[in-house]
Amino acid sequence: AQRVTQPEKLLSVFKGAPVELKCNYSYSGSPELFWYVQYSRQRLQLLLRHISRESIKGFTADLNKGETSFHLKKPFAQEEDSAMYYCALSNPYSGAGSYQLTFGKGTKLSVIP
Amino acid sequence: DAGVIQSPRHEVTEMGQEVTLRCKPISGHNSLFWYRQTMMRGLELLIYFNNNVPIDDSGMPEDRFSAKMPNASFSTLKIQPSEPRDSAVYFCASSLGPEAQYFGPGTRLLVL
Repeated sequence: AQRVTQPEKLLSVFKGAPVELKCNYSYSGSPELFWYVQYSRQRLQLLLRHISRESIKGFTADLNKGETSFHLKKPFAQEEDSAMYYCALSNPYSGAGSYQLTFGKGTKLSVIP
Repeated sequence: DAGVIQSPRHEVTEMGQEVTLRCKPISGHNSLFWYRQTMMRGLELLIYFNNNVPIDDSGMPEDRFSAKMPNASFSTLKIQPSEPRDSAVYFCASSLGPEAQYFGPGTRLLVL
């Protein structure tokens, strides 16, 4: 069965320090992975998708199939990065031709001024 | 596109009352998802539809919850009767195939 693990519930870093939010997955097929961000009292927003290999707001994430990881990184944290971050895995729902996301439990990033 | 639209944005009701949450997905998306988010349980998938057909409702907590999608541009989530433990933020999201899900702003429900 598919699973997404975010081992840290809370991560605190100082402004200007590097950030790495960990995500590990368990999936037998070819994974489609996403990072979502949720600012306080707002909706979940798509931050980035591994297939696009782009950088959004200075964040990047590399899929490592050997380690089954999709860690989110940013070289210099900013105060406005403080938010909840969710890693998600897209998986097909068997026989239905549809897809759903399996979310991790999320990591709350707190950037200290 | 205006994105996923949800209404109402806030709802305060008394225990025992019926609550109806509404969602309009992004035009052209073929999958619609209802989630519930609480501090204690985090983000939970309640039910999702593909091409207006319910595919997986295993996350619906109990018979008090029901969801419908009468057409491609509208879905409802109904709670009857409501209870205080139903207090949460309810999100609707939509997607096209394996593409990313896009979330609405959520409905904050408080059951007194």
